[in-house]
Amino acid sequence: QVQLVESGGGVVQPGRSLRLSCAASGFSFSSFAIHWVRQAPGKGLEWVAAISYDGSSKYYADSVKGRFTISRDNSKNTLYLQMNSLRGEDTAVYHCAREYCGGDCKNLDYWGQGTLVTVSS
Amino acid sequence: DIVMTQSPDSLAVSLGERATINCKSSQSVLYSSNNENHLVWYQQKPGQPPKLLIYWASTRESGVPDRFSGSGSGTDFTLTISSLQAEDVAVYYCQQYYSTPYTFGQGTKLEIK
Repeated sequence: QVQLVESGGGVVQPGRSLRLSCAASGFSFSSFAIHWVRQAPGKGLEWVAAISYDGSSKYYADSVKGRFTISRDNSKNTLYLQMNSLRGEDTAVYHCAREYCGGDCKNLDYWGQGTLVTVSS
Repeated sequence: DIVMTQSPDSLAVSLGERATINCKSSQSVLYSSNNENHLVWYQQKPGQPPKLLIYWASTRESGVPDRFSGSGSGTDFTLTISSLQAEDVAVYYCQQYYSTPYTFGQGTKLEIK
């Protein structure tokens, strides 16, 4: 079955860096675009970034552009989010999610449970 | 960026009654190439990731009960739960996937009256 498992979250000081990972299994990872979506404690969902199936195209929310970098290693079935210059407003649970666009385009059909990033001094 | 606005922010409905949630986009999300609205609805329960309910504004995802339905086109969309069940208590989000950034509505919290 499709599984997405995030890791790498934790407590980090403002201005520091953190790298999140998302390990995928149960599907052909290299055939799907993958997204990062975050949710601050008690708040709504915020789309963060997306990467095409082959890594050639990347998209970012304005709130993270220039600070975060999305990447993937299809040989390892793993997605990454490098987060630099972290701010308090980046505190959130970060989910990775698969974008399905075959015959139907369903957008994000499978999600991981998420990993919590807390930016605090 | 396309702004997504849901209404109401919260809703209390009696068991067995109809629940209706609205979502408005600041510009059309109708894709001319396939004549489909790139609008999805998710359900999120506490401590869980979002679950896809409806895509292309009105197509129910496999396994989703038929009491959930989506409608609308262009900029105005509706999620309807025809007969509310206790397990439907959750926060519901719409999201457009017409253009990046793929923005979400602010969410609608659905409770039992």
